[in-house]
Amino acid sequence: KNQVEQSPQSLIILEGKNCTLQCNYTVSPFSNLRWYKQDTGRGPVSLTIMTFSENTKSNGRYTATLDADTKQSSLHITASQLSDSASYICVVSGAGFQKLVFGTGTRLLVSP
Amino acid sequence: GAVVSQHPSWVICKSGTSVKIECRSLDFQATTMFWYRQFPKQSLMLMATSNEGSKATYEQGVEKDKFLINHASLTLSTLTVTSAHPEDSSFYICSATSGEGYNEQFFGPGTRLTVL
Repeated sequence: KNQVEQSPQSLIILEGKNCTLQCNYTVSPFSNLRWYKQDTGRGPVSLTIMTFSENTKSNGRYTATLDADTKQSSLHITASQLSDSASYICVVSGAGFQKLVFGTGTRLLVSP
Repeated sequence: GAVVSQHPSWVICKSGTSVKIECRSLDFQATTMFWYRQFPKQSLMLMATSNEGSKATYEQGVEKDKFLINHASLTLSTLTVTSAHPEDSSFYICSATSGEGYNEQFFGPGTRLTVL
């Protein structure tokens, strides 16, 4: 069964600190993996997208890694800001089909 | 580029009425559009996939007669919630893809539906 699991479910960190969010997937065959940021009451916004051959990709203070062998990905946030408070969703696209497989998300709260 | 808009951003209606939500791709032609529903503290759940000019494909458990989807052009899809009930209250999000490159889906800002 195609699944995406994320951990932790929720996380509270102090402003300025770093954090890492985890994503494990069982989607096969694999096409690409995306990380989205979703603010409360808004649609998801793409942060990074990685294919099978990519190990890491950065977008400002966000750095995503991918290990296609172990089917794991992480999203590292550096020097967190209050505006980083949101849900972060890991989404995997399988090769040959349009539907995305969504993780349940990690709710991040950055505290002053 | 790759902007998707939704209208309205929020709507409140009485039970039994119908509500139409629009999804537009503003700067690209969307070969496929998707409709999702999201309940509080849960992830997005795909409701249906629609290709321009053809009937939508609904996910298991989604009533096609209740959630009418029209994808009349390459830039517009509409979702009509017919005879809405309080349990239909949710956050509805559309996404669109041009089918190129990574086949990336670009999400709209969502529509908050509250049925009284």
